[in-house]
Amino acid sequence: EIVLTQSPGTLSLSPGDRATLSCRASQNVNSNYLAWYQQKPGQAPRLLIYAASSRATGIPDRFSGSGSGTDFTLTISRLEPEDFAVYYCQQYDSSRWTFGQGTKVEIK
Amino acid sequence: EEQLVESGGGLVQPGGSLRLSCAVSGFTLNNFWMTWVRQAPGKGLEWVANINQDGSGKYYVDSVKGRFTISRDNAKNSLDLQMNSLRAEDTAVYYCARERLRNIGYYLDCWGQGTMVTVSS
Repeated sequence: EIVLTQSPGTLSLSPGDRATLSCRASQNVNSNYLAWYQQKPGQAPRLLIYAASSRATGIPDRFSGSGSGTDFTLTISRLEPEDFAVYYCQQYDSSRWTFGQGTKVEIK
Repeated sequence: EEQLVESGGGLVQPGGSLRLSCAVSGFTLNNFWMTWVRQAPGKGLEWVANINQDGSGKYYVDSVKGRFTISRDNAKNSLDLQMNSLRAEDTAVYYCARERLRNIGYYLDCWGQGTMVTVSS
């Protein structure tokens, strides 16, 4: 089973700052099967990035994804007030999904 | 509008059973694999189970194997999760979600709002 480890656990930043979130896999991940989700309190997760670097429909271009192999990154170029949330990476392998433990982006 | 609506959550005693349902609208269910994901209070997301288009392929996270059964009724546009021998650690919000396979990318692109399951005496 592929384990995804996200870092940091919490990121304390101000609106306008750049956020860099890391997702490291215990073994190589097919980049086509690496996605990022945003979740706000009381809401279902929302797809942000799929195939490691493709933005989902309606996602602003301040969100970008990169990486391959075992190391993936979600970058938010300039934080807007609505971006403070928890972010999860996710991968698919052998008919099963696994999630990272999440990174909380909070207002400093 | 594509929509998933979960139901069936509630309070159940340890060892008890509960059946969750996910009503699908706005798209053709039999074109997609479907998944259940759960989230314990204050914790992260955990994939629980998924099922292929005709119900012949089912996969489970190890912690629920032998206790949970995923099923679907494409004619009724519904997805179910039968949960038996429930434990306190099964307490969570349960989400159903659609799996989407594209030329590039495989991801969960449509989610319900979740239904809460509490296992407690």
